[in-house]
Amino acid sequence: ETGVTQSPTHLIKTRGQQVTLRCSSQSGHNTVSWYQQALGQGPQFIFQYYREEENGRGNFPPRFSGLQFPNYSSELNVNALELDDSALYLCASSISPSTYNEQFFGPGTRLTVL
Amino acid sequence: KNEVEQSPQNLTAQEGEFITINCSYSVGISALHWLQQHPGGGIVSLFMLSSGKKKHGRLIATINIQEKHSSLHITASHPRDSAVYICAVRLYAGGTSYGKLTFGQGTILTVHP
Repeated sequence: ETGVTQSPTHLIKTRGQQVTLRCSSQSGHNTVSWYQQALGQGPQFIFQYYREEENGRGNFPPRFSGLQFPNYSSELNVNALELDDSALYLCASSISPSTYNEQFFGPGTRLTVL
Repeated sequence: KNEVEQSPQNLTAQEGEFITINCSYSVGISALHWLQQHPGGGIVSLFMLSSGKKKHGRLIATINIQEKHSSLHITASHPRDSAVYICAVRLYAGGTSYGKLTFGQGTILTVHP
C-alpha cells in the first residue's frame, strides 16, 4: 500500500505566474484535501475533493482551483501568483469525507514566489 | 481569537523528561487530531480522538469534551521526539461537516540529550 505522494518537492516561481501541484492519494482513498502552511503557522484548509467534485472550500480566492481525476489523484492550481502564496502546500487523503475518517498527509510541496 | 489554541508555543526538555502539550478549542467538534511535523514538512498523524484516552508507545493523548481540552503527553522523551506537534479539530457543523481540519499554530518541541 503506497502512501500519499506529492510533486514536485520544491518549486520556485515569480509573481504573476501560474503553478500546478500534484497529489496522489493513498490506495483506496477517494477524498483529497489541500492545505496551505505559511512559515511558522498551522496549515489552513484550501478545499476538499470527493469523487471528482469540490466538496468544501476554505477562505481562499478563486485563483486557487483544483481538480480530482478518476483515479482520485488531485491537482491544485494557483493563478496570478502573489508573494504571500509562498508556503508549504500539503495534501491529505482519506477513505471518505466522513468526519470520523483519519486523513493521511503527503510530504508537501514547498512553493517560493519571488 | 483562534478556534484552536495550543500551549506552550515552544518547549525545551532534557532527554527522559515527561512532556505535556495542551490544546484548547472553542467550538463543537466531531474529532481531534494530534499530528507530528518534522523539519522538511511531512506530517504524520499520531492520534485521532473523539473521547477518552489513547496510548501508542510512549505517547498518550487525552480529550475532555466538556472542557473542550486535549493533552498530548510524551513519556521518557528522546531527542528524536524533537518536532512540531500540531493539534487539529474537525468542526461539527450541524451534520454537514465535510472533514475540514482546523489547526492550532503548533508547539515546537526540542529534546536535548
